[in-house]
Amino acid sequence: AQKITQTQPGMFVQEKEAVTLDCTYDTSDQSYGLFWYKQPSSGEMIFLIYQGSYDEQNATEGRYSLNFQKARKSANLVISASQLGDSAMYFCAMREPGSYNTDKLIFGTGTRLQVFP
Amino acid sequence: NAGVTQTPKFRVLKTGQSMTLLCAQDMNHEYMYWYRQDPGMGLRLIHYSVGEGTTAKGEVPDGYNVSRLKKQNFLLGLESAAPSQTSVYFCASSSLTTSRTLKLYGYTFGSGTRLTVV
Repeated sequence: AQKITQTQPGMFVQEKEAVTLDCTYDTSDQSYGLFWYKQPSSGEMIFLIYQGSYDEQNATEGRYSLNFQKARKSANLVISASQLGDSAMYFCAMREPGSYNTDKLIFGTGTRLQVFP
Repeated sequence: NAGVTQTPKFRVLKTGQSMTLLCAQDMNHEYMYWYRQDPGMGLRLIHYSVGEGTTAKGEVPDGYNVSRLKKQNFLLGLESAAPSQTSVYFCASSSLTTSRTLKLYGYTFGSGTRLTVV
């Protein structure tokens, strides 16, 4: 069965420093997609970044980048120059392989990031 | 620019009561989903729909029913609420996605409904 694992329940980082949030996935399919979402204390789910399994370049979006290592089945999120507003819960998710006619997402359990001054 | 709208935002139910959560999207998306979020468990799929008039079970469907009579609306019903259904419920939608649209927009989520069953 496909699975997403986030092994860091919580992380701390000082403002302006970079931080890496880990995500590993398990699938036997060759075609899949990986997402990161941010959930601030207000509760909404904010899309950050997407990486397709066939994308040759690592995805980047502003201060967010995805360190995609296909052989290791990892898709770590790197946040550069952390800001206080980055304090939130972060979820890694995978577009369920074989679900291109349903587009279901499966989620990890999340990592709570706290940025301190 | 409404996106996905969920109503209500908060609700307290007594055990055994029924209620319906409404999800509405204005993006003409084909696919809609209901997830629940519990502490330490991430989001889990309850039911989903790939088009008007079609629904299917997700990972945790027991105790819930859904309907999609109109393309823009996806309703989640609890016929007889139980304390185990205390959770935050999220609706999401997506279109027949291409890699380009996924990079730009991901899946669109509503703001959530916090439901407490006492």
